[in-house]
Amino acid sequence: DIQMTQSPSSVSASVGDRVTITCRASQGISSWLAWYQQKPGKAPKFLIYAASTLQSGVPSRFSGSGSGTDFTLTISSLQPEDFATYYCQQANSFPLTFGGGTKVEIK
Amino acid sequence: EVQLVESGGGLAQPGGSLRLSCAASGFTFSSYTMNWVRQAPGKGLEWVSYISHSSENTIYADSVKGRFTISRDNAKNSLYLQMNTLRAEDTAVYYCARGAAERWEVLDYWGQGTLVTVSS
Repeated sequence: DIQMTQSPSSVSASVGDRVTITCRASQGISSWLAWYQQKPGKAPKFLIYAASTLQSGVPSRFSGSGSGTDFTLTISSLQPEDFATYYCQQANSFPLTFGGGTKVEIK
Repeated sequence: EVQLVESGGGLAQPGGSLRLSCAASGFTFSSYTMNWVRQAPGKGLEWVSYISHSSENTIYADSVKGRFTISRDNAKNSLYLQMNTLRAEDTAVYYCARGAAERWEVLDYWGQGTLVTVSS
């Protein structure tokens, strides 16, 4: 199975800050990586696929990059509604595996 | 609007069974693959199972293989998860999630989840 490792596990930031989250796969997955956002008590929301393609309706302040084993999710200017937990997921092969999550908290 | 609504969660005893359902609407259900993903209280996401469009292929996480069975009824736009021999570690919110048309391994829509608690 492909292991996904996210860092940091949590980050404190202020509105307007730039936030970067890193995700590393245990083996190469090309660009088959997705990102999800989850708010407390809610279902995950799909944000990005193929490492860098934003799902329709996702604000442009979100961006993704990377290929192979190393990926990043960047929020260019954090907004109040962005405080949530973010998960990466390898979409290369089954079994699907997720990173442990990164909680973005208010500073 | 795509909607996925899970039901069937609740309290079960260790060794017991539960059957979860997921009612789909707003899209052509038979054209999409489907999945179950779970989240233990305070923990991260764990993929559980996958089923292809016409049920010809199913895949399970090792943690549930031999105990859980995924199925679907395209005529009823419904997805199911039969959970047998439940364990305390199966306690989680269970989400049904649609596989994206462009890439089945991407989960583009999720239901709101149903809570399964396994306890005596």
